Amino acid sequence: DAGITQSPRHKVTETGTPVTLRCHQTENHRYMYWYRQDPGHGLRLIHYSYGVKDTDKGEVSDGYSVSRSKTEDFLLTLESATSSQTSVYFCAISESESVGEQYFGPGTRLTVT
Amino acid sequence: KNQVEQSPQSLIILEGKNCTLQCNYTVSPFSNLRWYKQDTGRGPVSLTIMTFSENTKSNGRYTATLDADTKQSSLHITASQLSDSASYICVVLDSNYQLIWGAGTKLIIKP
Repeated sequence: DAGITQSPRHKVTETGTPVTLRCHQTENHRYMYWYRQDPGHGLRLIHYSYGVKDTDKGEVSDGYSVSRSKTEDFLLTLESATSSQTSVYFCAISESESVGEQYFGPGTRLTVT
Repeated sequence: KNQVEQSPQSLIILEGKNCTLQCNYTVSPFSNLRWYKQDTGRGPVSLTIMTFSENTKSNGRYTATLDADTKQSSLHITASQLSDSASYICVVLDSNYQLIWGAGTKLIIKP
């Protein structure tokens, strides 16, 4: 998985609780992304980062926030988890913005009850 | 609206057989088209990236074709193996550098 780890790999939480997912890379790539994957849908971009402290919204950013204080770490926070945020979350990295190769982490399966 | 549609949704074939997966897109103009393989419980892994000027690209037993005029791409798998069981996802990069993801084709190879 191209030097990308995600933690936790599985999490069950209750509606209304905050949740933070972590993505860590050892490739020193500039760009990092958070996607969610749901049955019957293509991957959908939540947020992405183009450098330390530089982030922008994706297609489905409502209810999510991100932070990037170091090149290697990109955090995704659900401030108050809802059942609609039950999904598999993937982190990806790339050297250039979207044009080139994206490398994906192993994913985090989040269940909100 | 930019869309990527894949067919079939799922496919079951016997080991050793060939198969072709289809991708139709409405993204225009586009920068490149990618095919990813996603094993169950894993993240997607890139198979090929094709620009609009490329008609065909191979990666081992995988061959992708692209017809930019009809906005169609296909992924052909030759002499399938059990390890080819996975979802195959078509992705198009539009001119705004946004990736438009298809929902994927789930391929099952039976011995």
